Amino acid sequence: AQSVTQLGSHVSVSEGALVLLRCNYSSSVPPYLFWYVQYPNQGLQLLLKYTSAATLVKGINGFEAEFKKSETSFHLTKPSAHMSDAAEYFCAVSDHGSSNTGKLIFGQGTTLQVKP
Amino acid sequence: DVKVTQSSRYLVKRTGEKVFLECVQDMDHENMFWYRQDPGLGLRLIYFSYDVKMKEKGDIPEGYSVSREKKERFSLILESASTNQTSMYLCASSLSQVIYGYTFGSGTRLTVV
Repeated sequence: AQSVTQLGSHVSVSEGALVLLRCNYSSSVPPYLFWYVQYPNQGLQLLLKYTSAATLVKGINGFEAEFKKSETSFHLTKPSAHMSDAAEYFCAVSDHGSSNTGKLIFGQGTTLQVKP
Repeated sequence: DVKVTQSSRYLVKRTGEKVFLECVQDMDHENMFWYRQDPGLGLRLIYFSYDVKMKEKGDIPEGYSVSREKKERFSLILESASTNQTSMYLCASSLSQVIYGYTFGSGTRLTVV
């Protein structure tokens, strides 16, 4: 079965510093990959997704992620953190085992703290 | 934009009550999902449905049931609420192809006292 691992449940950066949130998946077949963001007391919002086109994917709010098949990774980055980036971030991978039911498998989430 | 609407943002219920959480989507999505979210445990799938009147158990279905009588509405039912069901509940919907990802509702924070 497909699985996804987010390294680090909490990440803290200073405002203006690089943001790097790590995500690794387990699959011999390149999956579809997603990053979602959740602001306090809200639902999840799609940041970006990889669907086998370009390996470097740009999303909203200045975030981007690079699909690296050799490393089975899909890390999320942003060059310069802003206070408003403080949120919880979830990586998700398509569950190929579920055929056409469109299920995603979510990581445990990483809380990003941005310090002034 | 697709909208997924959860009927309540905050809900307080008593132990033993039957609780209904409602979710409605307005873009003709085939799939609908119910998750619960707890600190340190991420999102855990309770039930999902890929068609009207169709449902499949997720990872933690015990103590819950669902109903999907119309395509746009997916209800989560707590048959007899217990304190360990205090949580944030998230509804999501999607087209049948996983490539499009999910659209989430704003969540319902349920407290069982």
